[in-house]
Amino acid sequence: GESVGLHLPTLSVQEGDNSIINCAYSNSASDYFIWYKQESGKGPQFIIDIRSNMDKRQGQRVTVLLNKTVKHLSLQIAATQPGDSAVYFCAERRGNYGQNFVFGPGTRLSVLP
Amino acid sequence: DGGITQSPKYLFRKEGQNVTLSCEQNLNHDAMYWYRQDPGQGLRLIYYSQIVNDFQKGDIAEGYSVSREKKESFPLTVTSAQKNPTAFYLCASGGTSGANVLTFGAGSRLTVL
Repeated sequence: GESVGLHLPTLSVQEGDNSIINCAYSNSASDYFIWYKQESGKGPQFIIDIRSNMDKRQGQRVTVLLNKTVKHLSLQIAATQPGDSAVYFCAERRGNYGQNFVFGPGTRLSVLP
Repeated sequence: DGGITQSPKYLFRKEGQNVTLSCEQNLNHDAMYWYRQDPGQGLRLIYYSQIVNDFQKGDIAEGYSVSREKKESFPLTVTSAQKNPTAFYLCASGGTSGANVLTFGAGSRLTVL
């Protein structure tokens, strides 16, 4: 997974452009994945999820792509807005039950005016 | 509205003191979790509970204790044995089967003076 110590990778995009945030996961047996959005000083909010038997899932302005061959997950945000500025992180579930989620450190998305 | 309520949002503690963080949910979820979040790192599991009167240690349980006397409540005590307690603490709840999305509270920031 992404492990960058104290410094999160940052993605800066212009308002209205599309954003792509990536996440590498480590366990080929992981069966379920979630993307969360976390604004400063707040708890994570669910964005979208995907099961391992799918390779794409779409929501409102967001799309998650899963590539099991290379253990890669991406979150695409269409027409990025200032309110999308936050830290985004992925979670992989390595077996049944919620205690088996492993979380990435996240990517900070900054939307430029 | 259904959700998870954590309190207090900010807490300051002197060294050697125990403090208790509250977590209440009205989502009728069976499972509840406590995570610790440090800058630039993924969430780490402290304790979890899948059912009332039962709880299990997570990856970093040392220096923490919990109780689960009611389905709605899962308080976390940060004891004086926790060597580096300054962090952002997140409580979550979820179902115990299927696509069990974790729903998070707004978090509690603990600072040791």
